[in-house]
Amino acid sequence: AQKITQTQPGMFVQEKEAVTLDCTYDTSDQSYGLFWYKQPSSGEMIFLIYQGSYDEQNATEGRYSLNFQKARKSANLVISASQLGDSAMYFCAMREVENAGNMLTFGGGTRLMVKP
Amino acid sequence: ETGVTQSPTHLIKTRGQQVTLRCSSQSGHNTVSWYQQALGQGPQFIFQYYREEENGRGNFPPRFSGLQFPNYSSELNVNALELDDSALYLCASSLVGGKTEAFFGQGTRLTVV
Repeated sequence: AQKITQTQPGMFVQEKEAVTLDCTYDTSDQSYGLFWYKQPSSGEMIFLIYQGSYDEQNATEGRYSLNFQKARKSANLVISASQLGDSAMYFCAMREVENAGNMLTFGGGTRLMVKP
Repeated sequence: ETGVTQSPTHLIKTRGQQVTLRCSSQSGHNTVSWYQQALGQGPQFIFQYYREEENGRGNFPPRFSGLQFPNYSSELNVNALELDDSALYLCASSLVGGKTEAFFGQGTRLTVV
């Protein structure tokens, strides 16, 4: 079974509107971390936001927020006020503390396309 | 700029050859991880080094090996290259544990022909 599932291969959003990218995860660990990364066509993975499993509040970083629903094992990324530069691949990833070090398990990604 | 640099950026090799990819970690980071990203897929964990020793490995054969040096730079070596090894190889540096994110380099795109 996949540990990280991103069900939206591609998404369109109008510039200046908000968009939600879905991510569900599977783990038996009590302590874990969830990450979102952006990957433009250049290839570099750019860190966006982090949510720890014990964090009571949803994480926010500027225009990015993470809708964390622990019981549902979902960690959706919300991008507000989309910009043309947001067009990229977005990956959800999980780090299980019980696993070795900082190993990240990634989902298959969602390609976001922002329309002018 | 993440402070993580990889070289070379692009590489073409012939099936059966060997390749070495290099990564310079962000200053102060003690852990380096390598990932393989095939076209259209998410990155897959290859292995991780902490204080010059491998301390975690994904589902990759032994012909994928690595080194971490005292200055936290790292190498990924792949022997007996296969066509399916064609991918973007990403290096990430971090501090073990906590809330620290992994910082990625821009990757090396390897093409095996």
